[in-house]
Amino acid sequence: DIQMTQSPSSLSASVGDRVTITCQASQDISNYLNWYQQKPGKAPKLLIYDASNLKTGVPSRFSGSGSGTDFTFTISSLQPEDIATYYCQQYNNLMTFGPGTKVNIK
Amino acid sequence: EVQLVESGGGVVRPGGSLRLSCAASGFTFDDNGMTWVRQVPGKGLEWVSTINWNGGSTAYADSVKGRFTISRDNAKNSLYLQMNSLRAEDTAFYHCARVRYSSGWGPLDPWGQGTLVTVSS
Repeated sequence: DIQMTQSPSSLSASVGDRVTITCQASQDISNYLNWYQQKPGKAPKLLIYDASNLKTGVPSRFSGSGSGTDFTFTISSLQPEDIATYYCQQYNNLMTFGPGTKVNIK
Repeated sequence: EVQLVESGGGVVRPGGSLRLSCAASGFTFDDNGMTWVRQVPGKGLEWVSTINWNGGSTAYADSVKGRFTISRDNAKNSLYLQMNSLRAEDTAFYHCARVRYSSGWGPLDPWGQGTLVTVSS
């Protein structure tokens, strides 16, 4: 089974800060990596698919990069509405989610 | 508007069964694979099961294999999850999600709001 790790598990940043979350797969998953945002009490929403593709309608301050085993998710300028938990997910071999990164405003 | 609405959750005793349903609308249902993902309240996401566009290919997490069965009825635009031999650790919100690709593997978009399954004596 492919294991996914994320770091940090939580972070606090100021409005306007650049925020970076990393996701690592236990084996090569090519670019079969997606990023989701989940706000409290809501269903997750797809933000980035196939490592670096921004879903239509998602603000351009969100971006993703990486391939193989190491991936990065970035919010270029944190906004108050970005408070949420962010998950990575691989689908190279079945599906596995990372444990999530909780983003708060400082 | 693409919409997924789950139903069928509730309280069940250990060893019992439940059948979850997911009603899809706003898209051509048999164009896409479908998936169930569960989430213990306050915890992370766990993939449960996936089915391809015509039901010909299914897959399960080890934690539910042999106890859960995923199926779909394309004529009714509906996805199902038959859950047998339920355990306390199956307690969670169960979300259905559309897979972007017909194979059943890919980005999940959108997700339903979820239905709560509570396994308790």
